Amino acid sequence: DGGITQSPKYLFRKEGQNVTLSCEQNLNHDAMYWYRQDPGQGLRLIYYSQIVNDFQKGDIAEGYSVSREKKESFPLTVTSAQKNPTAFYLCASSTGTASSYTFGSGTRLTVV
Amino acid sequence: AQKVTQAQTEISVVEKEDVTLDCVYETRDTTYYLFWYKQPPSGELVFLIRRNSFDEQNEISGRYSWNFQKSTSSFNFTITASQVVDSAVYFCALSGGVSGGYQKVTFGTGTKLQVIP
Repeated sequence: DGGITQSPKYLFRKEGQNVTLSCEQNLNHDAMYWYRQDPGQGLRLIYYSQIVNDFQKGDIAEGYSVSREKKESFPLTVTSAQKNPTAFYLCASSTGTASSYTFGSGTRLTVV
Repeated sequence: AQKVTQAQTEISVVEKEDVTLDCVYETRDTTYYLFWYKQPPSGELVFLIRRNSFDEQNEISGRYSWNFQKSTSSFNFTITASQVVDSAVYFCALSGGVSGGYQKVTFGTGTKLQVIP
């Protein structure tokens, strides 16, 4: 079945560490997105990519980095510069603008 | 700038009751799209419906119905005869404002629905 796979489901990070969240899709979607979800704040866009080897900053990109070397993969790195990384991270993909999103099951990141 | 407001943070209903989730949006675009997504406890958001700004026809899908009114900038979602499986967080979203080829999507803060058996 086609879909989006996010891993790991739970991730713990020590202060000062970089961690990478994986996002893989087999839907042949061109566009991929990373969102951060905090209680009571809805979803906020971190980065998005409309095509391979190209990506753009979203509303809260500081402290995060991404790459898009393959159409299927859009990993997100949470760097030590992100001061408050504890959150639920959702990856999504779509066929393009104005189309609905398909979401992964999320990664819950906790700083310890 | 575009904005989506879901004023109801949490709603509790008894099973078989009808419930309406409100969504009010703001946009300066004449062409835009509205969405509803469901987020069950598992965490994955599931697409429910998309409606474009030129189609104000209400839609019904089983126990779900949507009422789109441009005059009041609202896109409300009603669940008829609610069931425990409807318990989830529901997000309304607005897509509009093309910039650099990307149509920005703005999500509301979500409404948590609890259906009590």
